[in-house]
Amino acid sequence: NAGVTQTPKFRVLKTGQSMTLLCAQDMNHEYMYWYRQDPGMGLRLIHYSVGEGTTAKGEVPDGYNVSRLKKQNFLLGLESAAPSQTSVYFCASSYGTITDTQYFGPGTRLTVL
Amino acid sequence: TQLLEQSPQFLSIQEGENLTVYCNSSSVFSSLQWYRQEPGEGPVLLVTVVTGGEVKKLKRLTFQFGDARKDSSLHITAAQPGDTGLYLCAGAKNYGGSQGNLIFGKGTKLSVKP
Repeated sequence: NAGVTQTPKFRVLKTGQSMTLLCAQDMNHEYMYWYRQDPGMGLRLIHYSVGEGTTAKGEVPDGYNVSRLKKQNFLLGLESAAPSQTSVYFCASSYGTITDTQYFGPGTRLTVL
Repeated sequence: TQLLEQSPQFLSIQEGENLTVYCNSSSVFSSLQWYRQEPGEGPVLLVTVVTGGEVKKLKRLTFQFGDARKDSSLHITAAQPGDTGLYLCAGAKNYGGSQGNLIFGKGTKLSVKP
């Protein structure tokens, strides 16, 4: 089992450009999450999904959109990237509830110039 | 806003020393999780504590959940360079059914020098 995988691992964007981060899990988990991690700020929840076809806002959703068309995939989109979105993005999944053990991917380091 | 305060923020010690890191809140949590994150990787769960006063041991690591379920501590005995990493606590609040919330602290960055 690969667990949770994320693509790409690194990306550099210019302000205003768009991109999509892909998260895939092979554990048949219902719940999936997108976090961003910034120095001194810890992990902050951007959006999450409690099942295929559902999405919900987390703590810092502005500037991001998500989609969960298939149970195993969770996509995070940036429509018009801003330097404030420079961060490390982590995807995670869990089995049954938001408070179950979360399994994290290796992260995507995004720099917006 | 629910906050989990972790202390210390940074800790640099020599191999063989003991250490304790703390995770404190004014909120009550239904459970508390500890994760370790190594550079360039995602966090990995170490332990979940559920009952107030609970103590769990994982080799040289001892985790304790406060009696009131508002705080937790992680004690490492005879630290080794392999313990180096970012330690994150995460408090869980259940609202019933599948609804809930997981709040992460900002982490304690531990460096263990040989």
